Amino acid sequence: NAGVTQTPKFQVLKTGQSMTLQCAQDMNHNSMYWYRQDPGMGLRLIYYSASEGTTDKGEVPNGYNVSRLNKREFSLRLESAAPSQTSVYFCASSTGTGGLDEQFFGPGTRLTVL
Amino acid sequence: AQTVTQSQPEMSVQEAETVTLSCTYDTSENNYYLFWYKQPPSRQMILVIRQEAYKQQNATENRFSVNFQKAAKSFSLKISDSQLGDTAMYFCAFMFSGNTPLVFGKGTRLSVIA
Repeated sequence: NAGVTQTPKFQVLKTGQSMTLQCAQDMNHNSMYWYRQDPGMGLRLIYYSASEGTTDKGEVPNGYNVSRLNKREFSLRLESAAPSQTSVYFCASSTGTGGLDEQFFGPGTRLTVL
Repeated sequence: AQTVTQSQPEMSVQEAETVTLSCTYDTSENNYYLFWYKQPPSRQMILVIRQEAYKQQNATENRFSVNFQKAAKSFSLKISDSQLGDTAMYFCAFMFSGNTPLVFGKGTRLSVIA
């Protein structure tokens, strides 16, 4: 049982390049999330998917797109990377039943945009 | 919008001593859920403890306990018998009832000193 997996773990991009961060969970969870973590800012929500087939913007969606490919996978795409997108990106998932619903996090992707 | 405030960016505590991390939040909702997550140097996010707003009894998990003051909108974390492995960033988080994403505070960096 791998939980939440993310690829890659590290990535360096040049300004203007594009890339997709992959996330998969094997817990049969309905809801999936993408956060970014910057020093002194905590975790901020980029996009989330409450259930397969739905996606919604979070606090900081500009410059990103997402795809809920199926129940297991939720990808985050940077179409034209900017230095302001240098961050650590976390994917998370939960059952989506609400209440004391624990979010399980992946190990994170450290992205540097030069 | 809901906000979560952690007023202590950094704290330190001697091994075996007790430390309390503060968290306040702002919401007009009556039913919601509160969480503390730990992020050690490995970067992995780990759930420490959680509390339902309509339960007056404070949650406890081994050496970790909370002081939940609903009227004051306060949700502090107490760590007893601090251990070196408790050294980490600690994030307070808020969630509405239902299937909604977490809102995180900016975190408190805790150092346990031998």
